[in-house]
Amino acid sequence: DIQMTQSPSTLSASVGDRVAITCRGSQNIDTYLAWYQQKPGKAPKVLVYKSSILESGVPSRFSGSGSGTDFTLTISSLQPDDFATYYCQQYKSYPLTFGGGTKVDMK
Amino acid sequence: QVQLVQSGAEVKKPGSSVKVSCKAFGDSFSSYAISWVRQAPGQGLEWLGGIIPLFGTPTYAQKFQGRVTITADKSTTTAYMELSNLRPEDTGLYYCARGGVRGELLVWVDPWGQGTLITVSS
Repeated sequence: DIQMTQSPSTLSASVGDRVAITCRGSQNIDTYLAWYQQKPGKAPKVLVYKSSILESGVPSRFSGSGSGTDFTLTISSLQPDDFATYYCQQYKSYPLTFGGGTKVDMK
Repeated sequence: QVQLVQSGAEVKKPGSSVKVSCKAFGDSFSSYAISWVRQAPGQGLEWLGGIIPLFGTPTYAQKFQGRVTITADKSTTTAYMELSNLRPEDTGLYYCARGGVRGELLVWVDPWGQGTLITVSS
């Protein structure tokens, strides 16, 4: 199985901050990586797929980058609605696997 | 736009089985994969397996092979996930989610159902 490791596990930030979350795969996954946002009591929703393609309707302050084993989700200017937990997911090979999550909370 | 609606919460005894349904409202049920993902309380996301209804053959994570059965009924646009030999560590929220690309299971998933809470306790 491909292991996905996210860092940090928790990130404390303020509105307006630039925030970066990293995800590392245990082997090469090309650009077969997605990012999700999950709020308490809600199902996850996809933000980015194919490493850098923004899902329709997702604000442009979100961006994804990377290929191979190292990936980054960046929020250019954190908004109040962005406090949530973020997960990466690889879809290079079965089983689909997710990172452990990064909780973005208020500093 | 598709919407996935799951069956309600269940409480089960260790060693028993549970079957969760996921009904799709909208178009193209048959040609998009349905994956099943679980989340233990306060924990991350874990993929159990999935199916493309048009083809009918499920793919399972090795960890759950032999304990999970995923099926799909095209006539009712409903997918099912049955987990057997339940253990307390199976307690959690179980989600169905649609594949992001027609005809592919090895993809990202969205949208998701609302989740079904399964509690395993004696």
